[in-house]
Amino acid sequence: EAGVTQSPTHLIKTRGQQATLRCSPISGHTSVYWYQQALGLGLQFLLWYDEGEERNRGNFPPRFSGRQFPNYSSELNVNALELEDSALYLCASSPPYRGRESPLHFGNGTRLTVT
Amino acid sequence: KQEVTQIPAALSVPEGENLVLNCSFTDSAIYNLQWFRQDPGKGLTSLLLIQSSQREQTSGRLNASLDKSSGRSTLYIAASQPGDSATYLCAVCFNYGQNFVFGPGTRLSVLP
Repeated sequence: EAGVTQSPTHLIKTRGQQATLRCSPISGHTSVYWYQQALGLGLQFLLWYDEGEERNRGNFPPRFSGRQFPNYSSELNVNALELEDSALYLCASSPPYRGRESPLHFGNGTRLTVT
Repeated sequence: KQEVTQIPAALSVPEGENLVLNCSFTDSAIYNLQWFRQDPGKGLTSLLLIQSSQREQTSGRLNASLDKSSGRSTLYIAASQPGDSATYLCAVCFNYGQNFVFGPGTRLSVLP
């Protein structure tokens, strides 16, 4: 069974540009979560999508947005990049949220560097 | 506010020692709690998942316990090995919001 896949592995952008990060969940998983892990900081919850809808959002500005496609893959967009957006962005998936018995499965992340 | 804390922040032990990592959370209304390990610059690997109705879960040398009423969980690692060196993270799925809130982690070093 293929795990959660994220692309690209590394991304270098200039301040003010836009970044797009992608995530493919495990087959059969409909929930996708996005987390930010800045250097030396813990995982901060960004967004949660389930069956195409945004279910919850963390305390991040509106320039962080995303969507989930019909095949349950997801995209995270960060507009007007700032230096402090440099971080490891992690995606996780789980079966439908109505079944809370299943663990989160994480991808290996996208390392975003803003210069 | 839903918060998760972990102590100690860092731990260094000699190989073969048994050790305990601690996780505390502020709200007892939880769905489940999950322990992960993270190697430097990598994603998270799931270790154990405990449902709110369970008291403990075991996998190999790992044992995780849950005391919802006191808002605490412990991860016990038996006979530690250098390969256990990593950061260990506790994540709690609270009933409200239903997203997982992570603790800051415990950085473990097992010395050969």
